[in-house]
Amino acid sequence: SQQGEEDPQALSIQEGENATMNCSYKTSINNLQWYRQNSGRGLVHLILIRSNEREKHSGRLRVTLDTSKKSSSLLITASRAADTASYFCATDVLFSGGYNKLIFGAGTRLAVHP
Amino acid sequence: DTEVTQTPKHLVMGMTNKKSLKCEQHMGHRAMYWYKQKAKKPPELMFVYSYEKLSINESVPSRFSPECPNSSLLNLHLHALQPEDSALYLCASSPAGTEAYEQYFGPGTRLTVT
Repeated sequence: SQQGEEDPQALSIQEGENATMNCSYKTSINNLQWYRQNSGRGLVHLILIRSNEREKHSGRLRVTLDTSKKSSSLLITASRAADTASYFCATDVLFSGGYNKLIFGAGTRLAVHP
Repeated sequence: DTEVTQTPKHLVMGMTNKKSLKCEQHMGHRAMYWYKQKAKKPPELMFVYSYEKLSINESVPSRFSPECPNSSLLNLHLHALQPEDSALYLCASSPAGTEAYEQYFGPGTRLTVT
């Protein structure tokens, strides 16, 4: 079952613009992760942010986490056509058996136009 | 080698057929996962193996039968599937331990049940 919602469901921007995607979740988490999926292919991990972190950067990506509001956002700066993909947040619960269970949000489909 | 491979890439099967999906990783990961993804939806967890033992079965119908013959291989045996089982099946792996880890996804098997 989905953990939460992402908005917007779809986002269309021009190259060079910034793209912001939001994710809300319902239950307590250990961490939150963001993944990208190009059309019909496997997911690629972008960033993992721990529950005690508020902000994290990786290249053109900036992720924030507000555990009091149970929400996270992903900002892609200076977007490129190659950033066109679906973006998913996933809440992450670690189990004692050493594995983690990801529950994905609905995703945001981003289209970046040249 | 940071790759998860899945075979076949595409599979078309009838409702009376038996087939298997295969997943392989050589990263030394001891947690492996099967997900099902319908079009324009997020991945949904089906099974988790930790140290070659089935740790999570998300109430998946018995026509799906997972198997983890060794720490590098994960199979999903399919029998008497229904057309609604048509989807992208994704395999993933991660280290197993006390920390939170990203999951590495394969490219998926696109399954069509006729």
